[in-house]
Amino acid sequence: SQTIHQWPATLVQPVGSPLSLECTVEGTSNPNLYWYRQAAGRGLQLLFYSVGIGQISSEVPQNLSASRPQDRQFILSSKKLLLSDSGFYLCAWSEGQDTYEQYFGPGTRLTVT
Amino acid sequence: AQKVTQAQTEISVVEKEDVTLDCVYETRDTTYYLFWYKQPPSGELVFLIRRNSFDEQNEISGRYSWNFQKSTSSFNFTITASQVVDSAVYFCALKGTSGTYKYIFGTGTRLKVLA
Repeated sequence: SQTIHQWPATLVQPVGSPLSLECTVEGTSNPNLYWYRQAAGRGLQLLFYSVGIGQISSEVPQNLSASRPQDRQFILSSKKLLLSDSGFYLCAWSEGQDTYEQYFGPGTRLTVT
Repeated sequence: AQKVTQAQTEISVVEKEDVTLDCVYETRDTTYYLFWYKQPPSGELVFLIRRNSFDEQNEISGRYSWNFQKSTSSFNFTITASQVVDSAVYFCALKGTSGTYKYIFGTGTRLKVLA
């Protein structure tokens, strides 16, 4: 069966520090991968998605970036965090193009101080 | 453009009451997929159901049921005999098939079930 991992679970970082969040999926090949952010009490904002290694689509211009160095690994990064980057970051995967639901990881709760 | 509207921001019910969460969607795709997710306090989104646009049969799973009506572009979710464990934020989502990999989420409905 498929499993999605995210780490760390929680993170407190000062403004201006770098960020690296990692997501890995097990049990499937060539998944579509997604990064979402959820501000407190708000809905989901799609940040990036990837349909293959090295293929990244950005939905929101900001100081975040994403990379997919391996088929089942998706990394969210920032060189300098802003206060507004605080939130709950969720990684998700789906299979195929049209027909499949997304499955979400446990999330990373980021607080920028 | 695709859009999902969950007009109910928050609903409170007393345990054992039935509750319906509304979801209205917009899409120009003739084939599309609709989903419901549950987000408990722990934060992880849990997949509940997928419905294809060409299948308007309603579905029941235990205390959960879903009513899909293409004529009104709605995909409503009913919990029968609600329980405290049903307290969560529920998201409705849409995925079209016109070359997009994106899922469009509604803003969510927070359900509070009071003991």
